[in-house]
Amino acid sequence: SQQGEEDPQALSIQEGENATMNCSYKTSINNLQWYRQNSGRGLVHLILIRSNEREKHSGRLRVTLDTSKKSSSLLITASRAADTASYFCATDATDSWGKLQFGAGTQVVVTP
Amino acid sequence: DTAVSQTPKYLVTQMGNDKSIKCEQNLGHDTMYWYKQDSKKFLKIMFSYNNKELIINETVPNRFSPKSPDKAHLNLHINSLELGDSAVYFCASSQDSGSETQYFGPGTRLLVL
Repeated sequence: SQQGEEDPQALSIQEGENATMNCSYKTSINNLQWYRQNSGRGLVHLILIRSNEREKHSGRLRVTLDTSKKSSSLLITASRAADTASYFCATDATDSWGKLQFGAGTQVVVTP
Repeated sequence: DTAVSQTPKYLVTQMGNDKSIKCEQNLGHDTMYWYKQDSKKFLKIMFSYNNKELIINETVPNRFSPKSPDKAHLNLHINSLELGDSAVYFCASSQDSGSETQYFGPGTRLLVL
């Protein structure tokens, strides 16, 4: 069954703006990861946040995790046209070790 | 150098045919995976191998048979292709079966006519 669900399904912003997308999941997790997929390409790992962490930064990316609400958010600051891609959250659930479960992604379009 | 490579990139075939997709990783990882991404971009794991041994086998029709000749290769053979098999198939690898980060190949776009 699908574990992570991203919201919104699609997001259109202008360069320089911030983009925020959310992920909700259903079961207890070891960690939650965010991946990016450019059109016609494979997924690229962006950031991993563990269940005992609340916030993590990597460059222009900021990820938060609220295990009580079973949700995470990904913020991309000062977006660029090159950030145009689909963004997926993936959960490593405690009851399915080593098996990532992905959501259907948020499609982000950044216009110059 | 390509870390995870797949061949072919595109595959168009008729219903009922048998086809194979090949995957190779040069990262020295122990664990490899096959995922299926449908038209709505939902990505679902199919199989995982750790050091040539099957460790994850999701509810996949037995027309799909993975084979791992060595830990750097994981191939996917599909028998009697059906229209519903049309999708993008991604291979991925990770350091080991408990590793957190997975590295994905570029995908194989399969279209069954």
